[in-house]
Amino acid sequence: EVQLLESGGGLAQPGGSLRLSCVASGFSISAYAFNWVRQAPGKGLEWVSVISGGGNSANYADSVNGRFIMSRDDSENTLYLQMYSLKVEDTAVYYCAKTNVFHPPPGASDKWGPGTRVTVSS
Amino acid sequence: DIHMTQSPSSVSASVGDSVTITCRASQGISTWLAWYQHKPGRAPNLLVYPASTLHSGVPSRFRGSGSGTDFTLTIAPVQPEDFATYYCQQAYSFPLTFGQGTTVEVK
Repeated sequence: EVQLLESGGGLAQPGGSLRLSCVASGFSISAYAFNWVRQAPGKGLEWVSVISGGGNSANYADSVNGRFIMSRDDSENTLYLQMYSLKVEDTAVYYCAKTNVFHPPPGASDKWGPGTRVTVSS
Repeated sequence: DIHMTQSPSSVSASVGDSVTITCRASQGISTWLAWYQHKPGRAPNLLVYPASTLHSGVPSRFRGSGSGTDFTLTIAPVQPEDFATYYCQQAYSFPLTFGQGTTVEVK
């Protein structure tokens, strides 16, 4: 069964850092691009970042560009989101999502993990 | 950035009803549009992509249509498990953008 499982969320102080992980099982991640998408409390879904298959390119939302870095380790079947200079407004549930393509756009997120909660507060 | 506008923001329905959600893009995106269903505390699920193609395993009571800037998602007939929030998302260009969501509530 295709599954994604995020981890690494928790409480961080403003200005702090966290690294989220997303472990895939039931398939090899090497053939696909992946997205991180977040949902702040009471808000809708917001796209955060994407990494292409092979990891040669990544794109970021303006709200996180320069602070977040997305990476992948195909040998470990794992995606990462390194978050620096965290802000209160980064508080959200973060979802890892597999796309149906190697190099978007275009491409949709056809499998999502259950999410990991990040809280940024002093 | 491409702005996605969904309407209505919420709709009340009974089991057996038909519900239609609309999504408008601020510029043409061909058929590069996805629809997702999201229930509280759960992972979102892909329903339709692109525009009018049902994702594997999605019941046929869901139907997507449209191209260019105007899209619709219809659920007919609504079933008890369909009460959730639905989002459209353009997959045409970065940054990917979502509509604000439409909650289908029990009447």
